Amino acid sequence: DTAVSQTPKYLVTQMGNDKSIKCEQNLGHDTMYWYKQDSKKFLKIMFSYNNKELIINETVPNRFSPKSPDKAHLNLHINSLELGDSAVYFCASSQAGGRGLAGELFFGEGSRLTVL
Amino acid sequence: DAKTTQPPSMDCAEGRAANLPCNHSTISGNEYVYWYRQIHSQGPQYIIHGLKNNETNEMASLIITEDRKSSTLILPHATLRDTAVYYCIVRVRAAGNKLTFGGGTRVLVKP
Repeated sequence: DTAVSQTPKYLVTQMGNDKSIKCEQNLGHDTMYWYKQDSKKFLKIMFSYNNKELIINETVPNRFSPKSPDKAHLNLHINSLELGDSAVYFCASSQAGGRGLAGELFFGEGSRLTVL
Repeated sequence: DAKTTQPPSMDCAEGRAANLPCNHSTISGNEYVYWYRQIHSQGPQYIIHGLKNNETNEMASLIITEDRKSSTLILPHATLRDTAVYYCIVRVRAAGNKLTFGGGTRVLVKP
């Protein structure tokens, strides 16, 4: 059972196209995130949603639009793709309160986007 | 979030303990020390966290100095599968609070 799953795992597309990456978590968490890892391997937060509401938006271009239809899903739509968007995008989730790993992030396996 | 400083890389012999240092001299009283790792081509994986006491779980031990300005992650018996980039992060422990990753330490476990 995959806790945080992303699709597609690989995506190759042309500049100017619009594409989406989907993320689903079956952990019952109430917060989800998108991170971007560029070619230099730095992981940077992009967005965070808590119970379908946007709580973090780290100066990401407007071409990136996250959508959370429910708290188990956080999809990332990218318009007018540019070469610099090539990266691995990671989805993650966490849960407020409780014991144990409260607040800790669980990551998906990543979606590698290549823009030609 | 307070910044952390880690060595960029280190090697470790298989079966030996790996001691990964982290400096966080500007840590605040309500910030926890977290360790995550990223094995090649996979998503980051939570390892352990602590506030001021030493912590141990099935993966590792975390030793935090009394002044909390530095810590050490200990992998007691490193295996080849422990080869990864290890990230030390300090963060207020609240759901929805982001993790800010630095450069991490690239650990290579050698046979």
